[in-house]
Amino acid sequence: NAGVMQNPRHLVRRRGQEARLRCSPMKGHSHVYWYRQLPEEGLKFMVYLQKENIIDESGMPKERFSAEFPKEGPSILRIQQVVRGDSAAYFCASSPLQEINQPQHFGDGTRLSIL
Amino acid sequence: KQEVTQIPAALSVPEGENLVLNCSFTDSAIYNLQWFRQDPGKGLTSLLLIQSSQREQTSGRLNASLDKSSGRSTLYIAASQPGDSATYLCAVTNYGGSQGNLIFGKGTKLSVKP
Repeated sequence: NAGVMQNPRHLVRRRGQEARLRCSPMKGHSHVYWYRQLPEEGLKFMVYLQKENIIDESGMPKERFSAEFPKEGPSILRIQQVVRGDSAAYFCASSPLQEINQPQHFGDGTRLSIL
Repeated sequence: KQEVTQIPAALSVPEGENLVLNCSFTDSAIYNLQWFRQDPGKGLTSLLLIQSSQREQTSGRLNASLDKSSGRSTLYIAASQPGDSATYLCAVTNYGGSQGNLIFGKGTKLSVKP
């Protein structure tokens, strides 16, 4: 039973380019969460999605960042016009139920580097 | 605003020692508290989840306690092994927050020397 799959593992972009990060949740999981880990910082919640719905985007920057979780296919975190400060590790997690006490399963992350 | 603090930031111990990692949070209105392990270059692995109505959880050599009123949790690791070397993170879910909105501490980096 494959875990949460994130790709790519490493992504390099130049300032002004777009970055697209993908996350395939564990089989049977319909809830996806994105987190960002900046250097020397803790993980910060970004967004919580269910299939075709954004449930909580309170941690998303207001500009340049968007996320989706379509009916078919992986969840996508998109960063437009990247800047140096976007360099971080981006983690995706998933869970099977709308249950507040359900542990999340994390992927190994995408390390984004901006040149 | 909820803040989660972990002390110490780093800890080095000889193999076999029992140890305690500390986590504190400023707002006691939480649904739960979780302890995670993060290995270098990897994602997080959930170790223990303590619901707000519980006082502790145990899994193997790990025991986590929760004192919600004082805003503290401890993770106790018995008979530490070199394979326990990793960064340990604690996170809380606030009342009124969505289930995915975990608030993390910065972690304690543990090194267990053979």
